[in-house]
Amino acid sequence: DARVTQTPRDKVTEMGQEVTMRCQPILGHNTVFWYRQTMMQGLELLAYFRNRAPLDDSGMPKDRFSAEMPDATLATLKIQPSEPRDSAVYFCASGLDDLASQYFGPGTRLTVL
Amino acid sequence: QKEVEQNSGPLSVPEGAIASLNCTYSDRVSQSFFWYRQYSGKSPELIMSIYSNGDKEDGRFTAQLNKASQYVSLLIRDSQPSDSATYLCAASNTGNQFYFGTGTSLTVIP
Repeated sequence: DARVTQTPRDKVTEMGQEVTMRCQPILGHNTVFWYRQTMMQGLELLAYFRNRAPLDDSGMPKDRFSAEMPDATLATLKIQPSEPRDSAVYFCASGLDDLASQYFGPGTRLTVL
Repeated sequence: QKEVEQNSGPLSVPEGAIASLNCTYSDRVSQSFFWYRQYSGKSPELIMSIYSNGDKEDGRFTAQLNKASQYVSLLIRDSQPSDSATYLCAASNTGNQFYFGTGTSLTVIP
């Protein structure tokens, strides 16, 4: 069945290292979202793509985070350099059309030591 | 005011009872509304969407939307222990923006 996939599922790294998370949206979906979830802040929208074009990345710290969609089947979220406060679960979600509901991937649990 | 607000709970109901979850939203989001369920350690899962005033029923779940009062609710009938989870309310607007509430934790007591 169709589902969003994310890799890696777990990542432990040291402060200052680069982290790249990957997402494969559901085939045919034209919107992709990146979220970060922590106990304190809940779900925070980091970036939003429609038809591979970035529409909103206002929630993303620009100095260290970057999000791209090299093609319709791959979205990436990169953190460079990583910091302990980046420790969270990062979710990718995809959807069809702007107002449609989103389908979430299993998430990447990031721990920065 | 945040775009979407929920009571964080926790909300506890006995098995078989009706669980009522509520969400209010601001003028900035008024187009579409969604309820997601998130089990501990898992990703959010869509359970209901509602776009127009009134009730929408799907099995044991009923979503209610009242645009005049700016609230959306989720009723779970015949609550089961397997319904114990965090329920996230979400809303979107015509400006391609999507907002989640912080979630309400529900525990169904056997």
